[in-house]
Amino acid sequence: GESVGLHLPTLSVQEGDNSIINCAYSNSASDYFIWYKQESGKGPQFIIDIRSNMDKRQGQRVTVLLNKTVKHLSLQIAATQPGDSAVYFCAENKGQGNLIFGKGTKLSVKP
Amino acid sequence: DVKVTQSSRYLVKRTGEKVFLECVQDMDHENMFWYRQDPGLGLRLIYFSYDVKMKEKGDIPEGYSVSREKKERFSLILESASTNQTSMYLCASSELDTQYFGPGTRLTVL
Repeated sequence: GESVGLHLPTLSVQEGDNSIINCAYSNSASDYFIWYKQESGKGPQFIIDIRSNMDKRQGQRVTVLLNKTVKHLSLQIAATQPGDSAVYFCAENKGQGNLIFGKGTKLSVKP
Repeated sequence: DVKVTQSSRYLVKRTGEKVFLECVQDMDHENMFWYRQDPGLGLRLIYFSYDVKMKEKGDIPEGYSVSREKKERFSLILESASTNQTSMYLCASSELDTQYFGPGTRLTVL
């Protein structure tokens, strides 16, 4: 999950396995959430988003689950590939178009 | 596709220099943002803008200023660069809630 410490949480998975990355958000009034992927030396890339009126949303090989009761968000990546290795972080809307970002989780995919 | 470009990928400057970081987006977005990203601290908002000639302070505006003379361009200015401004700088733009990021500028201040 997300961390406020100096070290990023890490997740190491075998190529072909499914990955689950978790995020706890802070504001129960947030109604919009985004997952970003950031590869080394690059800017964050939009992956998938979800509004609070949904519990689940699926994209290509990715699924986002939202549990508003416990303020928890997860990103599931199916059949993880080496190209999925990156830092993943969630964001929640703060209002007026601003976002609050999590610190990120580093995903490493072993061949 | 949304395209956000930043003027430099890597930049090295000396303490006390004035530094300009440029960001351009091609999607006619109203909102633009400047962040810095540091290990363990995540993304921190420096300044943002909802319209031309309009700016709002983010969480860490000290030591920075911005300029938005045209809708597509948002500039970040370090008036007198200091070593603690060595960081990755990221620009983003949005129309509604979804922010799209540029590739980032890795700034080193010596």
